[in-house]
Amino acid sequence: DIQMTQSPASLSASLGETVTIECRASEDIYSNLAWYQQKPGNSPQLLIYDANSLADGVPSRFSGSGSGTQYSLKINSLQSEDVASYFCQQYNNYPFTFGSGTKLEIK
Amino acid sequence: QVQLKETGPDLVQLTQTLSITCTVSGFSLTTYNVHWVRQPPGKGLEWMGAMWNGGGTDYNSAFKSRLSISRDTSKSQVFLKMNSLQTDDTAKYFCARHHNWEYFDYWGQGVMVTVSS
Repeated sequence: DIQMTQSPASLSASLGETVTIECRASEDIYSNLAWYQQKPGNSPQLLIYDANSLADGVPSRFSGSGSGTQYSLKINSLQSEDVASYFCQQYNNYPFTFGSGTKLEIK
Repeated sequence: QVQLKETGPDLVQLTQTLSITCTVSGFSLTTYNVHWVRQPPGKGLEWMGAMWNGGGTDYNSAFKSRLSISRDTSKSQVFLKMNSLQTDDTAKYFCARHHNWEYFDYWGQGVMVTVSS
Protein backbone atom coordinates (compact mmCIF):
# COMPACT_ATOMS: atom_id res chain seq x y z
CA ASP A 1 0.00 0.00 0.00
CA ILE A 2 1.16 3.58 -0.66
CA GLN A 3 1.77 5.47 2.58
CA MET A 4 0.85 9.16 2.61
CA THR A 5 2.78 11.18 5.19
CA GLN A 6 1.12 14.52 5.85
CA SER A 7 2.55 17.44 7.83
CA PRO A 8 2.07 19.29 10.01
CA ALA A 9 -0.58 17.55 12.10
CA SER A 10 -1.84 20.92 13.29
CA LEU A 11 -1.33 24.50 12.27
CA SER A 12 -2.25 27.83 13.80
CA ALA A 13 -2.07 30.96 11.69
CA SER A 14 -3.43 34.50 11.64
CA LEU A 15 -6.10 35.84 9.33
CA GLY A 16 -4.58 36.97 6.06
CA GLU A 17 -1.52 34.73 6.38
CA THR A 18 -0.39 32.12 3.88
CA VAL A 19 -0.13 28.50 5.04
CA THR A 20 1.28 25.39 3.39
CA ILE A 21 0.47 21.76 4.08
CA GLU A 22 2.72 19.00 2.78
CA CYS A 23 2.05 15.45 1.73
CA ARG A 24 4.70 12.88 0.84
CA ALA A 25 3.89 9.58 -0.85
CA SER A 26 5.94 6.44 -0.26
CA GLU A 27 6.30 6.03 -4.05
CA ASP A 28 5.65 8.03 -7.19
CA ILE A 29 1.92 8.72 -7.57
CA TYR A 30 2.21 10.65 -10.85
CA SER A 31 0.16 13.64 -9.61
CA ASN A 32 -2.84 11.40 -8.87
CA LEU A 33 -3.49 13.35 -5.72
CA ALA A 34 -6.50 15.13 -4.27
CA TRP A 35 -6.89 17.49 -1.34
CA TYR A 36 -10.08 17.63 0.74
CA GLN A 37 -11.33 20.08 3.33
CA GLN A 38 -13.41 18.77 6.21
CA LYS A 39 -15.16 21.17 8.55
CA PRO A 40 -16.18 19.87 11.98
CA GLY A 41 -19.16 17.54 11.78
CA ASN A 42 -19.20 17.60 7.97
CA SER A 43 -18.07 15.29 5.21
CA PRO A 44 -14.87 15.96 3.22
CA GLN A 45 -15.19 18.39 0.32
CA LEU A 46 -12.96 18.22 -2.73
CA LEU A 47 -10.57 21.18 -3.06
CA ILE A 48 -7.87 20.09 -5.51
CA TYR A 49 -7.52 17.15 -7.90
CA ASP A 50 -4.70 15.97 -10.16
CA ALA A 51 -2.37 17.69 -7.68
CA ASN A 52 -2.99 21.22 -8.97
CA SER A 53 -6.49 21.53 -10.48
CA LEU A 54 -9.02 23.57 -8.51
CA ALA A 55 -12.39 21.91 -8.00
CA ASP A 56 -15.53 23.77 -9.02
CA GLY A 57 -16.54 26.54 -6.64
CA VAL A 58 -13.29 26.46 -4.63
CA PRO A 59 -11.82 29.94 -3.98
CA SER A 60 -8.66 30.77 -5.90
CA ARG A 61 -6.73 31.35 -2.66
CA PHE A 62 -6.38 27.56 -2.57
CA SER A 63 -3.71 26.03 -4.77
CA GLY A 64 -1.94 22.72 -5.11
CA SER A 65 1.45 21.79 -6.47
CA GLY A 66 3.95 18.99 -6.59
CA SER A 67 4.94 15.92 -8.51
CA GLY A 68 6.43 12.49 -7.97
CA THR A 69 6.26 11.86 -4.25
CA GLN A 70 6.04 15.42 -2.87
CA TYR A 71 2.88 17.55 -2.89
CA SER A 72 1.63 20.65 -1.14
CA LEU A 73 -1.53 22.61 -0.56
CA LYS A 74 -1.22 26.36 -0.15
CA ILE A 75 -3.88 28.65 1.26
CA ASN A 76 -3.31 32.36 0.62
CA SER A 77 -4.95 35.13 2.63
CA LEU A 78 -6.33 32.84 5.32
CA GLN A 79 -10.01 33.42 6.09
CA SER A 80 -12.00 32.42 9.18
CA GLU A 81 -14.05 29.98 7.08
CA ASP A 82 -10.84 28.04 6.29
CA VAL A 83 -10.82 26.58 9.82
CA ALA A 84 -11.03 22.87 9.07
CA SER A 85 -9.04 19.69 8.72
CA TYR A 86 -7.31 19.02 5.42
CA PHE A 87 -6.50 15.60 3.97
CA CYS A 88 -4.52 14.49 0.97
CA GLN A 89 -5.46 11.32 -0.91
CA GLN A 90 -3.65 9.32 -3.57
CA TYR A 91 -5.67 7.62 -6.28
CA ASN A 92 -2.77 6.20 -8.27
CA ASN A 93 -3.07 2.72 -6.75
CA TYR A 94 -5.57 0.66 -4.82
CA PRO A 95 -6.14 0.69 -1.95
CA PHE A 96 -6.66 4.44 -2.08
CA THR A 97 -4.90 5.97 0.92
CA PHE A 98 -5.19 9.24 2.77
CA GLY A 99 -2.83 11.44 4.73
CA SER A 100 -3.44 11.61 8.46
CA GLY A 101 -4.80 15.14 8.21
CA THR A 102 -3.86 18.68 9.21
CA LYS A 103 -6.05 20.62 11.61
CA LEU A 104 -5.96 24.33 10.77
CA GLU A 105 -6.91 26.90 13.38
CA ILE A 106 -6.90 30.67 13.48
CA LYS A 107 -4.45 32.25 15.90
CA GLN B 1 -28.35 17.68 -8.13
CA VAL B 2 -25.96 14.97 -7.00
CA GLN B 3 -26.68 13.64 -3.53
CA LEU B 4 -25.63 10.64 -1.49
CA LYS B 5 -27.20 9.75 1.84
CA GLU B 6 -26.18 7.03 4.25
CA THR B 7 -28.68 5.38 6.57
CA GLY B 8 -27.88 2.86 9.23
CA PRO B 9 -27.84 2.11 12.94
CA ASP B 10 -26.27 4.36 15.56
CA LEU B 11 -25.27 1.40 17.71
CA VAL B 12 -24.16 -2.12 16.93
CA GLN B 13 -23.27 -4.78 19.45
CA LEU B 14 -19.81 -6.30 19.60
CA THR B 15 -19.31 -9.17 17.12
CA GLN B 16 -22.55 -8.34 15.33
CA THR B 17 -23.05 -7.25 11.71
CA LEU B 18 -23.24 -3.68 10.45
CA SER B 19 -25.51 -2.81 7.55
CA ILE B 20 -25.54 0.64 5.96
CA THR B 21 -27.40 1.85 2.89
CA CYS B 22 -26.21 4.63 0.59
CA THR B 23 -29.05 6.10 -1.45
CA VAL B 24 -27.93 8.25 -4.36
CA SER B 25 -29.71 10.74 -6.58
CA GLY B 26 -28.71 12.92 -9.49
CA PHE B 27 -26.62 10.21 -11.16
CA SER B 28 -26.78 6.57 -12.12
CA LEU B 29 -24.99 3.71 -10.38
CA THR B 30 -24.40 2.20 -13.82
CA THR B 31 -22.38 5.28 -14.82
CA TYR B 32 -20.44 6.08 -11.64
CA ASN B 33 -18.60 3.99 -9.09
CA VAL B 34 -19.49 4.46 -5.43
CA HIS B 35 -16.98 3.90 -2.63
CA TRP B 36 -17.12 3.48 1.12
CA VAL B 37 -14.74 5.39 3.40
CA ARG B 38 -14.75 5.46 7.18
CA GLN B 39 -13.36 7.81 9.83
CA PRO B 40 -12.90 6.87 13.49
CA PRO B 41 -13.65 9.74 15.89
CA GLY B 42 -10.91 12.37 15.73
CA LYS B 43 -8.89 10.35 13.24
CA GLY B 44 -8.17 10.10 9.54
CA LEU B 45 -9.95 8.56 6.59
CA GLU B 46 -9.74 4.91 5.57
CA TRP B 47 -10.84 3.56 2.19
CA MET B 48 -12.94 0.44 2.61
CA GLY B 49 -14.08 -0.63 -0.81
CA ALA B 50 -15.91 0.12 -4.02
CA MET B 51 -18.93 -0.81 -6.06
CA TRP B 52 -17.97 -0.45 -9.71
CA ASN B 53 -20.45 0.91 -12.23
CA GLY B 54 -20.35 -2.43 -14.02
CA GLY B 55 -21.45 -4.28 -10.90
CA GLY B 56 -18.11 -5.60 -9.66
CA THR B 57 -16.56 -4.82 -6.31
CA ASP B 58 -13.16 -4.21 -4.76
CA TYR B 59 -12.19 -4.31 -1.11
CA ASN B 60 -9.41 -3.09 1.09
CA SER B 61 -7.58 -6.21 2.21
CA ALA B 62 -7.47 -4.69 5.72
CA PHE B 63 -11.05 -5.83 6.08
CA LYS B 64 -10.27 -9.33 4.86
CA SER B 65 -13.48 -11.24 4.34
CA ARG B 66 -15.56 -9.20 6.80
CA LEU B 67 -16.78 -6.71 4.24
CA SER B 68 -19.38 -7.04 1.52
CA ILE B 69 -20.64 -4.34 -0.86
CA SER B 70 -23.65 -4.77 -3.12
CA ARG B 71 -26.23 -2.62 -4.88
CA ASP B 72 -29.78 -2.34 -6.15
CA THR B 73 -29.66 -0.15 -9.24
CA SER B 74 -33.47 0.05 -9.46
CA LYS B 75 -33.49 1.79 -6.09
CA SER B 76 -30.21 3.69 -6.62
CA GLN B 77 -28.81 2.12 -3.49
CA VAL B 78 -25.42 0.73 -2.52
CA PHE B 79 -25.12 -1.46 0.53
CA LEU B 80 -22.27 -2.03 2.97
CA LYS B 81 -22.30 -5.05 5.20
CA MET B 82 -19.50 -5.83 7.65
CA ASN B 83 -19.51 -8.64 10.17
CA SER B 84 -17.65 -9.49 13.37
CA LEU B 85 -17.63 -5.87 14.51
CA GLN B 86 -15.09 -4.79 17.13
CA THR B 87 -14.84 -1.60 19.17
CA ASP B 88 -12.26 -0.17 16.77
CA ASP B 89 -14.91 -0.29 14.03
CA THR B 90 -16.57 2.64 15.79
CA ALA B 91 -16.46 5.31 13.11
CA LYS B 92 -18.36 7.58 10.79
CA TYR B 93 -19.07 5.71 7.57
CA PHE B 94 -19.28 7.68 4.32
CA CYS B 95 -20.22 6.76 0.79
CA ALA B 96 -18.68 8.84 -1.96
CA ARG B 97 -19.00 9.17 -5.73
CA HIS B 98 -15.92 8.32 -7.75
CA HIS B 99 -15.27 10.85 -10.48
CA ASN B 100 -13.78 9.52 -13.70
CA TRP B 101 -12.04 6.65 -11.90
CA GLU B 102 -9.98 9.18 -9.97
CA TYR B 103 -11.01 11.28 -6.98
CA PHE B 104 -14.20 11.56 -4.91
CA ASP B 105 -16.26 14.52 -6.03
CA TYR B 106 -19.36 14.07 -3.85
CA TRP B 107 -19.72 12.59 -0.39
CA GLY B 108 -22.67 11.69 1.77
CA GLN B 109 -23.04 13.28 5.19
CA GLY B 110 -21.98 10.03 6.84
CA VAL B 111 -23.49 7.86 9.54
CA MET B 112 -21.82 7.56 12.94
CA VAL B 113 -21.78 3.98 14.19
CA THR B 114 -20.73 3.01 17.69
CA VAL B 115 -19.80 -0.57 18.48
CA SER B 116 -20.83 -1.35 22.02
CA SER B 117 -19.74 -4.15 24.28
